[in-house]
Amino acid sequence: DQQVKQNSPSLSVQEGRISILNCDYTNSMFDYFLWYKKYPAEGPTFLISISSIKDKNEDGRFTVFLNKSAKHLSLHIVPSQPGDSAVYFCAASDDYGNNRLAFGKGNQVVVIP
Amino acid sequence: DTGVSQDPRHKITKRGQNVTFRCDPISEHNRLYWYRQTLGQGPEFLTYFQNEAQLEKSRLLSDRFSAERPKGSFSTLEIQRTEQGDSAMYLCASSYDLVGQETQYFGPGTRLLVL
Repeated sequence: DQQVKQNSPSLSVQEGRISILNCDYTNSMFDYFLWYKKYPAEGPTFLISISSIKDKNEDGRFTVFLNKSAKHLSLHIVPSQPGDSAVYFCAASDDYGNNRLAFGKGNQVVVIP
Repeated sequence: DTGVSQDPRHKITKRGQNVTFRCDPISEHNRLYWYRQTLGQGPEFLTYFQNEAQLEKSRLLSDRFSAERPKGSFSTLEIQRTEQGDSAMYLCASSYDLVGQETQYFGPGTRLLVL
């Protein structure tokens, strides 16, 4: 049962343009959402997070938007850079005390110079 | 570098052998998590520790798997009688419990190949 879904497995974008990654979830008890970036043969690297009490969080070139009613979040990267080429994972946790993360399957992003 | 470290980074073993992986979390992080990632999938939760106590195990963690975190510092994950289906990337993460909504930081992973 995939509680976090990332459609459109791959995305190609021109350098300098905006990359938009989408994520949908089914568990209404999720209250904390994170995005991780992963290069081949490395572990996921934390990018940005958002609490369910907010609808937007910004950190440099990265912005995450949360729409709780639609159970949807998105990650915007602007401007995209070649070093952003990686797999991006959406993850979510609930507040039942263990905070285990449920991950989506990931989106491959390729930034074309 | 004070990030999460894992050892070994790669392990090739024959079916039926036992393997053990080690994870050293970020110091002062009291929570430690193990995840498994297979090709084309996101990481899947296996188990987690709060200090030295193992508080939850996923149903993915069969009886052949055992994890420990003695003294609440480093952790080991052992797989006994490995099977080809155990081939995966094993990821360790740590966090500091701030009454929920803490961020987990991942190590580089151990890639296991069972022949």
